[in-house]
Amino acid sequence: AQSVTQLDSHVSVSEGTPVLLRCNYSSSYSPSLFWYVQHPNKGLQLLLKYTSAATLVKGINGFEAEFKKSETSFHLTKPSAHMSDAAEYFCVVSETRNFGNEKLTFGTGTRLTIIP
Amino acid sequence: NAGVTQTPKFRVLKTGQSMTLLCAQDMNHEYMYWYRQDPGMGLRLIHYSVGEGTTAKGEVPDGYNVSRLKKQNFLLGLESAAPSQTSVYFCASSRTSRTDGYTFGSGTRLTVV
Repeated sequence: AQSVTQLDSHVSVSEGTPVLLRCNYSSSYSPSLFWYVQHPNKGLQLLLKYTSAATLVKGINGFEAEFKKSETSFHLTKPSAHMSDAAEYFCVVSETRNFGNEKLTFGTGTRLTIIP
Repeated sequence: NAGVTQTPKFRVLKTGQSMTLLCAQDMNHEYMYWYRQDPGMGLRLIHYSVGEGTTAKGEVPDGYNVSRLKKQNFLLGLESAAPSQTSVYFCASSRTSRTDGYTFGSGTRLTVV
């Protein structure tokens, strides 16, 4: 069975400082991993995805994440936070099992607050 | 380019009433999904469909029914609403592969009183 744990429910950083949102996963098969962002009262938007190619994945808005198999982690980072980054972030895992039967498992989310 | 459109955006139901949430996508995606989002629980899969005319149960299917009569539409029905179904409901679609990621609608906020 697959699962994902977001280690922080809430992270606060000052504008212009680095962002780190932590995610650990568990999967019995080769996983795909995603980060989604949800701004208030909006749907979820795909930030980036890892699908067994390069372990360092670059996404939109300056975010990137590194897949570390030995640590079963997929942490999201950004060098310099912007006020517009304030949102809820979800780490998501999907297993390769049966084609047509892949499902996403969502973490419980990390709320990112940016301090002016 | 509309993407995934959900209607309605807000609804208040009385316990025992029924309603249908509509999800429409214009990307010719094969896969469609219904999720519910509750505080502190992330998103949980209710039902999904891997193509026109097919549906399957997800993680929390009880109290919901779905239909996919047309490829572009995925309907979520509540036959007899309960307060426990108060939630934000998201529809999503994807092409054919898990590697694509999903496109989400903007959500339906449902309150059952």
